Amino acid sequence: DVKVTQSSRYLVKRTGEKVFLECVQDMDHENMFWYRQDPGLGLRLIYFSYDVKMKEKGDIPEGYSVSREKKERFSLILESASTNQTSMYLCASSTTSGGFYEQYFGPGTRLTVT
Amino acid sequence: KNEVEQSPQNLTAQEGEFITINCSYSVGISALHWLQQHPGGGIVSLFMLSSGKKKHGRLIATINIQEKHSSLHITASHPRDSAVYICAVRSPDKLIFGTGTRLQVFP
Repeated sequence: DVKVTQSSRYLVKRTGEKVFLECVQDMDHENMFWYRQDPGLGLRLIYFSYDVKMKEKGDIPEGYSVSREKKERFSLILESASTNQTSMYLCASSTTSGGFYEQYFGPGTRLTVT
Repeated sequence: KNEVEQSPQNLTAQEGEFITINCSYSVGISALHWLQQHPGGGIVSLFMLSSGKKKHGRLIATINIQEKHSSLHITASHPRDSAVYICAVRSPDKLIFGTGTRLQVFP
């Protein structure tokens, strides 16, 4: 079975802190994604990566950066956390020769910024 | 207007009832996904389809490309089916998600 794990289920941070959310997948998938999920808005893509050291902006990249130094690990970084970044963050991975095929999701990290 | 609309937003049912969740979209797509999100956040992919109908156990998904509409049916519903069901379309190279339908099935 594909397994996608995220470093924390719940996280509470203060405004202005630097926050790291980590995601690890164990199926050698090329593609990895970070989404945020807010009530009434559905999942929105923040960043994705289709290879090591490669990254592409999604729909809402502002205030976030990412890092993919190893194929199995994709990190989401909030350089200076703000209250409007309080959300559920979901990581996903997929394998395909091109495009966005079936994605496997992690359990999510519920981040609260106070 | 969202590019992917789901209805209803919330649904309650008694155990054993037949359930239908609808998804309409306004963009050209190459595939449509149905996902299930359990309480606590984990998301599981149920179906990926680009035409016709797929069945897995008590779950059936259909899609009508001409009408830009898909339905997810659950037969003989059970309390363990309680979850949020999310429709997502692939267009053309990214996923666009609906806001989900929250289903509660009572014994």
